[in-house]
Amino acid sequence: NAGVTQTPKFRVLKTGQSMTLLCAQDMNHEYMYWYRQDPGMGLRLIHYSVGEGTTAKGEVPDGYNVSRLKKQNFLLGLESAAPSQTSVYFCASSYRGQGTSGDYNEQFFGPGTRLTVL
Amino acid sequence: DQQVKQNSPSLSVQEGRISILNCDYTNSMFDYFLWYKKYPAEGPTFLISISSIKDKNEDGRFTVFLNKSAKHLSLHIVPSQPGDSAVYFCAAGLLYNFNKFYFGSGTKLNVKP
Repeated sequence: NAGVTQTPKFRVLKTGQSMTLLCAQDMNHEYMYWYRQDPGMGLRLIHYSVGEGTTAKGEVPDGYNVSRLKKQNFLLGLESAAPSQTSVYFCASSYRGQGTSGDYNEQFFGPGTRLTVL
Repeated sequence: DQQVKQNSPSLSVQEGRISILNCDYTNSMFDYFLWYKKYPAEGPTFLISISSIKDKNEDGRFTVFLNKSAKHLSLHIVPSQPGDSAVYFCAAGLLYNFNKFYFGSGTKLNVKP
């Protein structure tokens, strides 16, 4: 199993350009997430999806759009990139929550995409 | 306003000793807590979790303690090893809320040989 994979690993954009980050998981997970990590800020949730065809906003959704046309893929789009979107982007997936003890609720993360917007 | 806080950006420990990483949260409704470990240029990897029905969970050298009244959790690593050197993130959220978690800013642990 490859787990969670992200494409591309690195990208440099100019202000105003657009791009799409691709996340794929082969664990048949229901839930998928996009985070950004900035120095001193930890991981902040951008958008998430609880199933194929569904998406929802997280903490910092402005400037991003997402789509989940297939269960295994979750795409993050930047329509008009800004320098403030320079960050490391992580995709994650998880099972639907199970059990009162909370087992199997953890998220599995991809290796990240380092994006620089000039 | 950050709902999960890790107030120590870094921690240095001698190999073989105990490492204690701390985390505080503000939302008393949170009922599920996790610790992740992250090496440079890699994604976070899950380490250990605890639900609010427990106050302690152990997995090998790693133990997580939860103090609900203080809204505080900690991760103990005993004994610490050089390979444990990494950034550790704590996370918290509501069970059954689509596994959405709030993450702290991380603590960089350095275990010296």
